[in-house]
Amino acid sequence: QQPVQSPQAVILREGEDAVINCSSSKALYSVHWYRQKHGEAPVFLMILLKGGEQKGHEKISASFNEKKQQSSLYLTASQLSYSGTYFCGTEGSSNTGKLIFGQGTTLQVKP
Amino acid sequence: KAGVTQTPRYLIKTRGQQVTLSCSPISGHRSVSWYQQTPGQGLQFLFEYFSETQRNKGNFPGRFSGRQFSNSRSEMNVSTLELGDSALYLCASSLEGMSEEFFGPGTRLTVL
Repeated sequence: QQPVQSPQAVILREGEDAVINCSSSKALYSVHWYRQKHGEAPVFLMILLKGGEQKGHEKISASFNEKKQQSSLYLTASQLSYSGTYFCGTEGSSNTGKLIFGQGTTLQVKP
Repeated sequence: KAGVTQTPRYLIKTRGQQVTLSCSPISGHRSVSWYQQTPGQGLQFLFEYFSETQRNKGNFPGRFSGRQFSNSRSEMNVSTLELGDSALYLCASSLEGMSEEFFGPGTRLTVL
């Protein structure tokens, strides 16, 4: 089952914060976050394993709530370079190693 | 280390034709996955190859097929093209046992 991302799109001003959610109907082993800039390939941001850990990457961090089968990506003090489409990829509890990606959230940061 | 490469980058075909896309993974990566990306649909998993064997398959019709060679390079073939096959086809490679995918730049296929 494809995870559901929300919102589908968000527009920010530089310096504002944003949260992108990723929800699955199945038990998850891990959640991966990728960012794709227009015309480019998706680039890996971070991976979260079950256990409720939170990770950070510059001013981008994420959490993983195993019980809720949900992950959230937090973008703090957004910069123009954050613009792009963010995808979550989920790996089921059977740990097959394959990711199922959400439909993506388009983030646009304006000056 | 060179990244994942895909050829060609752009392709225009007409309905009914067939097409073959190529992917060279990062050196040492033996797993190659293919994804179809269309607006609003995100990344739809097509199939994964590992050591020349298809290991996982998504929900796509039999017109979509692939193979992997002994050097881990992979090809994807789409036969009897339909307008709806127009998409960006992304290839990704990963290390054995690791789920982090490294994506190539993609092949933009347009079916007229």
